[in-house]
Amino acid sequence: DTEVTQTPKHLVMGMTNKKSLKCEQHMGHRAMYWYKQKAKKPPELMFVYSYEKLSINESVPSRFSPECPNSSLLNLHLHALQPEDSALYLCASSQDTMRTEAFFGQGTRLTVV
Amino acid sequence: KQEVTQIPAALSVPEGENLVLNCSFTDSAIYNLQWFRQDPGKGLTSLLLIQSSQREQTSGRLNASLDKSSGRSTLYIAASQPGDSATYLCAVDYTGGFKTIFGAGTRLFVKA
Repeated sequence: DTEVTQTPKHLVMGMTNKKSLKCEQHMGHRAMYWYKQKAKKPPELMFVYSYEKLSINESVPSRFSPECPNSSLLNLHLHALQPEDSALYLCASSQDTMRTEAFFGQGTRLTVV
Repeated sequence: KQEVTQIPAALSVPEGENLVLNCSFTDSAIYNLQWFRQDPGKGLTSLLLIQSSQREQTSGRLNASLDKSSGRSTLYIAASQPGDSATYLCAVDYTGGFKTIFGAGTRLFVKA
């Protein structure tokens, strides 16, 4: 099983809403990532979790809050987002942060209204 | 500054043609380079991973090469098919602080 599952696939939220994106993998990977991708642009790294601890935060605004409850799950909590935060949010995992092959989920298309 | 550049930005070819996509990077201190495919509005599918000590990797009709000294990688697609139409991204994992840099991608259209 080389699958990374993201839910929901689509999300529309208002600027005052609180929502969460979820990501799950059962490959035994110990590194998990959140990326943001705007249309026709490459993915941009947001957060890296290694062995369930946050190891990289690429200066992401605090309205994005990651959480790694266990080695298989990664959440991204959203609060008070802006319309410019609308994007495809991608989760990825790899065996470890020594950059073995990365596997991506299908993404959550987020629209902030 | 560590950068990854992909040329061309877009490519349209007739079905059956062999083609080469290019990726260049500015710093040879890398762990590995990975090629991905992305369909519109979808996630990334891993195609090939080349470790820094390797020169090439092959999977089916795909062959990726790596030349660290010149900072270049190529993805060769043999006998292209309409189903190969997608955006192809290369991603370089640099050493020294853990950083993955993506190229902007090459949008490929294979005409039937």
